[in-house]
Amino acid sequence: EVQLVESGGGLVQPGGSLRLSCAASGFTFSRYWMTWVRQAPGKGLEWVANIKQDGSEKHYVDSVKGRFTISRDNAENSLYVQMNSLRAEDTAVYYCARIDSSGLAFDYWGQGTLVTVSS
Amino acid sequence: SYELTQPPSVSVSPGQTASITCSGDKLGGKYACWYQQKPGQSPVLVIYQDNKRPSGIPERFSGSNSGNTATLTISGTQAMDEADYYCQAWDSSTFVVFGGGTKLTVL
Repeated sequence: EVQLVESGGGLVQPGGSLRLSCAASGFTFSRYWMTWVRQAPGKGLEWVANIKQDGSEKHYVDSVKGRFTISRDNAENSLYVQMNSLRAEDTAVYYCARIDSSGLAFDYWGQGTLVTVSS
Repeated sequence: SYELTQPPSVSVSPGQTASITCSGDKLGGKYACWYQQKPGQSPVLVIYQDNKRPSGIPERFSGSNSGNTATLTISGTQAMDEADYYCQAWDSSTFVVFGGGTKLTVL
């Protein structure tokens, strides 16, 4: 059974940093692109970043470029996002998801972890 | 930047057909997919590559994509289908784009 479990969320002050993790199991992690998607309270889904199977290619939404870094450890079956210079507008539930073999859809999602940026 | 537009809300009576649209420039030339999200839960993929259903998704869910509009159709809508639905596509400039979401009410 495919499982994705996020962790690392919490309350952080504006300008602070946080690192989110996503532990993957039930599939061969190294064979899939992975992604982070966020959802601000009461709002819609927003794609954040993608990473290729071997980590050699990464893509970000403009609003997080230069502040967030997506990474992965295939030996540990884990996905990460390092979030720096956090702003109030980064407050959201952050989901990790697997990108399917076609590369066109997010076929499995974690339960999400809440990040709150507030003083 | 590329944008996808969905109606904020759609209402349907139980047993009837619900249609949720997603509009974007030349969307028919891209692949669209759809996610269902119930309150307090993570999104679930219900349609990918315009009209394919993942394993476990009921046959009453179907999709189409042509011109500038992708459509999610739910035939014989049930109370359990009440949820928010999001379309999503890939674009060379914006990379991944989600629609704003549509709240489906079954009443």
